[in-house]
Parts: sequence; C-alpha cells; structure tokens
Amino acid sequence: DGGITQSPKYLFRKEGQNVTLSCEQNLNHDAMYWYRQDPGQGLRLIYYSQIVNDFQKGDIAEGYSVSREKKESFPLTVTSAQKNPTAFYLCASSAVVGTGELFFGEGSRLTVL
Amino acid sequence: AQSVTQLGSHVSVSEGALVLLRCNYSSSVPPYLFWYVQYPNQGLQLLLKYTSAATLVKGINGFEAEFKKSETSFHLTKPSAHMSDAAEYFCAVSPGSARQLTFGSGTQLTVLP
Repeated sequence: DGGITQSPKYLFRKEGQNVTLSCEQNLNHDAMYWYRQDPGQGLRLIYYSQIVNDFQKGDIAEGYSVSREKKESFPLTVTSAQKNPTAFYLCASSAVVGTGELFFGEGSRLTVL
Repeated sequence: AQSVTQLGSHVSVSEGALVLLRCNYSSSVPPYLFWYVQYPNQGLQLLLKYTSAATLVKGINGFEAEFKKSETSFHLTKPSAHMSDAAEYFCAVSPGSARQLTFGSGTQLTVLP
C-alpha cells in the first residue's frame, strides 16, 4: 500500500545532541512537509519541499535542517540549537502543490531528557 | 493572511447524539477549507474538503460540513455519534497553496456511552 513512513515512532535524546527523523513516501508526490505539533497549538510548518534538491523554511525553521536528495525521502534533523525540541513531529506529502490536501505519516514523538 | 478559530477545545456527546464541531475562518481570498481527524499518537487523516464546488461537503465516516460564506464558517457535523468517532479534529484553511495551510488548534471529541 502507498503511504508515508516515519521512523522512529518514539525517540529520546539528551540535551545538546542532534537527532534525525526519517520520512519516506511511495506515493510519488512531489511536495513534502514537516510539521511540529504541540498540545493545544495545532500544527506549525517547519520546512517544506516542492521538488527534489529544493526546500524552503516554514514558520518555525530555527533549530531544524532538512535535505531532499531523493523524491521519496525528506529527513528532518533537530539540532542542539532548537531550544524546545520535545514535541510530536509529522511528515506529510501532497500530489498537487496548490491545495492543502495532505497525506500524513504516523508521526515521531521526540522527548529531550 | 488567513486564520482559523475552532470554538471549544473539548466537546463531549453521547453515543447516538448529534456531533457539531465549530470552525470559523478568515481569508482575504476565496479559501480552500479542510477538516482532518487525528487518532491518538497517529498522523492526520483528511475527512473532507471544500474547494468552491458544492457548499455542502460530504466526507468519510458519515461526516459533512457546510461552507457559509456570510458567516465565514465551516462547521463539521455528524447526525449520530459513534464511539469510534472519539478523536481530535482539526479545521484548516488555505488560499490555494499547501505552503499557506493554516490549522486551527483542534477540538477533542469525546463520545460517552
């Protein structure tokens, strides 16, 4: 079945460590997105990519980095510069860039100890 | 710029009762409107979308929503709640670009036996 796979589902890290969250899709979608979800705040856009080898900052990109070397992959690195990294991270993709119809992965929950 | 307001962060209904989740939006251009559902520790799933065709939109699992331009509303309804409807629901608005998709803060629906 086509879909989006995020890994790991749960991740613990110590302060000062970088961590990379994986996102892979087999939907053949051009556009991919990373969102951060905190309780009571909805979803906030971190980074997005409309095409391979290109990506743009979203609303809360500070302390995060991404790459888009392959169409199906869009990994997110949470760096030590991110002041409050504990959150639920969601990866999404869309077939058509011009709408808001997104397909989501099941998320990765990062806890910083 | 656009914004979304979901009235009521928590809504409780009895099984078999009407479900009404409220969403008001602001947008400077004709909007695309969406309702997404999220089950615990999972990603979001599209329930339904409004894209300027019919004002009454039918979605999955018996849900529907009506676009009312004069009231800038897009409330989600279901005639008879089921226990499996318990989840968090997000309203979202876009002017036509997924990059500019704005989510509400979510409404947690509880279904009582």
